[in-house]
Amino acid sequence: GAVVSQHPSRVICKSGTSVKIECRSLDFQATTMFWYRQFPKQSLMLMATSNEGSKATYEQGVEKDKFLINHASLTLSTLTVTSAHPEDSSFYICSARFSTFGNTIYFGEGSWLTVV
Amino acid sequence: GENVEQHPSTLSVQEGDSAVIKCTYSDSASNYFPWYKQELGKGPQLIIDIRSNVGEKKDQRIAVTLNKTAKHFSLHITETQPEDSAVYFCAAISGGGADGLTFGKGTHLIIQP
Repeated sequence: GAVVSQHPSRVICKSGTSVKIECRSLDFQATTMFWYRQFPKQSLMLMATSNEGSKATYEQGVEKDKFLINHASLTLSTLTVTSAHPEDSSFYICSARFSTFGNTIYFGEGSWLTVV
Repeated sequence: GENVEQHPSTLSVQEGDSAVIKCTYSDSASNYFPWYKQELGKGPQLIIDIRSNVGEKKDQRIAVTLNKTAKHFSLHITETQPEDSAVYFCAAISGGGADGLTFGKGTHLIIQP
């Protein structure tokens, strides 16, 4: 079964609004969670790395004020896209690293965001 | 940082034949190399992985080989089936596991019936 769950799988929001995506690790505690963005027919681009209880580390070029990441517990990380614009429309995917599984990384199912 | 190159970008094989996807990495400190399969509209699914202390790993029709000296690793799929059609990504991780994965650009594998 799935080790990482992401919600919602699809979301449509209006320009200027904010939307939150949740990433949950199921049954096991994740030491680290990662957020990726993927455009059609392209590879995954790492946006940020987050550890429970600390601030996320953002990759170069990713606006931390626009993509707010909160990692409140060892099983939940959230990505909030603030003041969304149509160019933020994309496939957002989270992943989690599990020390229980030898630091193997598993991905969630992804969330399609469409900003209209 | 790490840089992962993946080839080919598209691979078409006849059903039943073998498929090989190759990746190279730049950081000699990288020690973990997973392969993911991604179907359209879904998140990547881990299919096999290998760590730097092993040269080869096999799981039924799927195998991965690692050459640390040359800094390249390959995915081998034998007896391909239509359901193997997907995009495959190789990845590498270094920094003692503290960093995220660096992905290759992906290979679109097409299995011709």
